Amino acid sequence: EPEVTQTPSHQVTQMGQEVILRCVPISNHLYFYWYRQILGQKVEFLVSFYNNEISEKSEIFDDQFSVERPDGSNFTLKIRSTKLEDSAMYFCASVYQGASLHEQYFGPGTRLTVT
Amino acid sequence: EDQVTQSPEALRLQEGESSSLNCSYTVSGLRGLFWYRQDPGKGPEFLFTLYSAGEEKEKERLKATLTKKESFLHITAPKPEDSATYLCAAAGGTSYGKLTFGQGTILTVHP
Repeated sequence: EPEVTQTPSHQVTQMGQEVILRCVPISNHLYFYWYRQILGQKVEFLVSFYNNEISEKSEIFDDQFSVERPDGSNFTLKIRSTKLEDSAMYFCASVYQGASLHEQYFGPGTRLTVT
Repeated sequence: EDQVTQSPEALRLQEGESSSLNCSYTVSGLRGLFWYRQDPGKGPEFLFTLYSAGEEKEKERLKATLTKKESFLHITAPKPEDSATYLCAAAGGTSYGKLTFGQGTILTVHP
């Protein structure tokens, strides 16, 4: 069964450094999302992306964050200058064209640790 | 602002002991209520979508129901492999896919 994949599984970085989290959505999915989950807290929406544009973003998704679909398979989240509070599990999700935008299939996540 | 609250935070059951998880929501123009299962260190796994009050969905030992203010996930005769965190999420009328999640219920089923 096709799955969303994410790399790396764990990223450790120093405060102020740039990080890029990578996701490969399920083939023929056209809507893409990033969420994060700080340890012990709720899963929080960051951004949705369709047709090479951001459709919606949360207050968390400020100028330090950006997303890109650099080719036909990858979907990336970049944090320009990481802060300690960016430490969290980051999940990528995608939706099949024609399905409800909310029936999202999640990847296994990237654990980001900022020291 | 959309809000989703789940209870209880944790639930311990004996194998075969049926119970229910609750999800209360305050969402403007609900477009859907979603249940996910999350295993430790993994991403949420989609279980059900409910669109309107009175709707029910079933999958194996799980049944999800929806009212105008709440959703319930009923677990019938659970097995240890049902142990996981169950997440409820809602989508509001203006969202382009944004899901608002509850904090989850940690279910542990003892053999």
